Amino acid sequence: AQSVAQPEDQVNVAEGNPLTVKCTYSVSGNPYLFWYVQYPNRGLQFLLKYITGDNLVKGSYGFEAEFNKSQTSFHLKKPSALVSDSALYFCAVRDLGKSTFGDGTTLTVKP
Amino acid sequence: KAGVTQTPRYLIKTRGQQVTLSCSPISGHRSVSWYQQTPGQGLQFLFEYFSETQRNKGNFPGRFSGRQFSNSRSEMNVSTLELGDSALYLCASSLEGGINTGELFFGEGSRLTVL
Repeated sequence: AQSVAQPEDQVNVAEGNPLTVKCTYSVSGNPYLFWYVQYPNRGLQFLLKYITGDNLVKGSYGFEAEFNKSQTSFHLKKPSALVSDSALYFCAVRDLGKSTFGDGTTLTVKP
Repeated sequence: KAGVTQTPRYLIKTRGQQVTLSCSPISGHRSVSWYQQTPGQGLQFLFEYFSETQRNKGNFPGRFSGRQFSNSRSEMNVSTLELGDSALYLCASSLEGGINTGELFFGEGSRLTVL
């Protein structure tokens, strides 16, 4: 069975500082990994994905994620946080067409 | 290009009633999946449909059912509603470039309140 863990319920950073939102996964086959963001009262929006290839994946809004197979991690990063990045972030793994999501991490960026 | 459309956006029901939620995927997307989102349980997978066939099912009781039509539109139904069914129900569609490689495109959700 596949699973995803987001160890931090909340991440707080100051605007302009780098941010990291952590994610670890467990899957029996090849890992297909995704990050999504959810703003209040909205559906989820796709940010980026890792399927194969380069371990550093670039996505929307300046976000990137680093895939680390030995640590089974897929951390979301951004070099310089914006107040508008404040939202709920979900990591997900997909296998046999089914997506399993982590519990989410609330990112708060303070001015 | 229109996004994923879910109707209704908000609804209130009482225990014992049933509800039907509708989802229109992005044009050309043949995979539609449903998720339940609650503060306590997070995002839980309900089921996934592809070309009118249920391809995957989550761990929900039989009161939760769904279907997909030939135009890829999907509906989910919850019968004999319970208070615990109060949640945001999210529909997502995917362009099947590969069964696991396509990202999901989510609708805004249908917020169900059961009284």
